[in-house]
Amino acid sequence: GAVVSQHPSRVICKSGTSVKIECRSLDFQATTMFWYRQFPKKSLMLMATSNEGSKATYEQGVEKDKFLINHASLTLSTLTVTSAHPEDSSFYICSARSIQGNSPLHFGNGTRLTVT
Amino acid sequence: SQELEQSPQSLIVQEGKNLTINCTSSKTLYGLYWYKQKYGEGLIFLMMLQKGGEEKSHEKITAKLDEKKQQSSLHITASQPSHAGIYLCGADDSGGSNYKLTFGKGTLLTVNP
Repeated sequence: GAVVSQHPSRVICKSGTSVKIECRSLDFQATTMFWYRQFPKKSLMLMATSNEGSKATYEQGVEKDKFLINHASLTLSTLTVTSAHPEDSSFYICSARSIQGNSPLHFGNGTRLTVT
Repeated sequence: SQELEQSPQSLIVQEGKNLTINCTSSKTLYGLYWYKQKYGEGLIFLMMLQKGGEEKSHEKITAKLDEKKQQSSLHITASQPSHAGIYLCGADDSGGSNYKLTFGKGTLLTVNP
């Protein structure tokens, strides 16, 4: 089945630094990838839609300058958390859907970000 | 956007028992997806339902979408410890273009051996 690889799985960084998270579709092409954030005991919150070759679409309340998204190819999207603060600590998950057919979203294994 | 209500929020069953998880939407569901998540991990796709009255099964898990397309249920037969995890329903929030998903808050399932 379709595989989405997310890296790193865990990262700890200091306040003020930036962290980049990669999301790769390993065996399919994805013109669109999605970035979610998940809080403890809360549902997944869609942050932004990453579009290959164009600007990302951000959900209301998500700062685009804070969470930079780049989707440079049909198999790779990156999320950069800039000038991270402790409140940015969370579980970030990416997802992707194949450009072919009526296929479901497939998710990466998530990245646990801890900002100290 | 869609609002999805999942019930129950958590469920503890004895191994071998059957169980049902429900997902109710405030709007018509154009596509309903069921996923399973282990804590701290990604989501595993289980099933996708799109037509009213549709029912799909995979191993011991069956999911249905009602005729009015506003409610879905996930049924596990003869549960096993491997079924434990968080079950999430997700709805196509793009009016049928299969574009992006909104999720319920999840149902935490514990299966005691």
